[in-house]
Amino acid sequence: GDSVTQMEGPVTLSEEAFLTINCTYTATGYPSLFWYVQYPGEGLQLLLKATKADDKGSNKGFEATYRKETTSFHLEKGSVQVSDSAVYFCALSEYDYKLSFGAGTTVTVRA
Amino acid sequence: ETGVTQSPTHLIKTRGQQVTLRCSSQSGHNTVSWYQQALGQGPQFIFQYYREEENGRGNFPPRFSGLQFPNYSSELNVNALELDDSALYLCASSSWTSGGSEQFFGPGTRLTVL
Repeated sequence: GDSVTQMEGPVTLSEEAFLTINCTYTATGYPSLFWYVQYPGEGLQLLLKATKADDKGSNKGFEATYRKETTSFHLEKGSVQVSDSAVYFCALSEYDYKLSFGAGTTVTVRA
Repeated sequence: ETGVTQSPTHLIKTRGQQVTLRCSSQSGHNTVSWYQQALGQGPQFIFQYYREEENGRGNFPPRFSGLQFPNYSSELNVNALELDDSALYLCASSSWTSGGSEQFFGPGTRLTVL
């Protein structure tokens, strides 16, 4: 079945540092890939998505590229801010619209 | 455009009781999915409803059941509550006709089973 494996946390960074969170997936077909973010006490918000190989999703300075050859969708941001402190989830969805999530990576950015 | 709303925000129940959680989908969306997020874990798919019919189910026992109403709002019912049912329950809505699979999440209902 479909599954997502993402880098374990927690990750602690200083402001303006470079952030990478690794995500790899297993799927039978050609899934859509997503990064969701969850701020403390809140539900999930879609951060970015990519629907086919070599697509790059981007939003709020975050980027991720759909790599079919390595079945990966790593999240990157060049310069993090304190407000980026949150839990980040990698997820995939095939035709049935069900989302399969990774376990989440907690990111803390210190001023 | 109204987003996804869920009620109640928090709920405390005891083992063996039954609970009903509610979700109103985003305007224009006809599909509702429910997820269970245990503490420190990623959300797990419970089931999805489309046009008032269950349209897929995850690895959850039959005591987890749901409904979708003609206005596309939805309920999640859990019978015979167990301690392990303590979790954040998330509802997400989407539009089956959009050609995509983007789901919009509500803020969740935090269920505590004592």
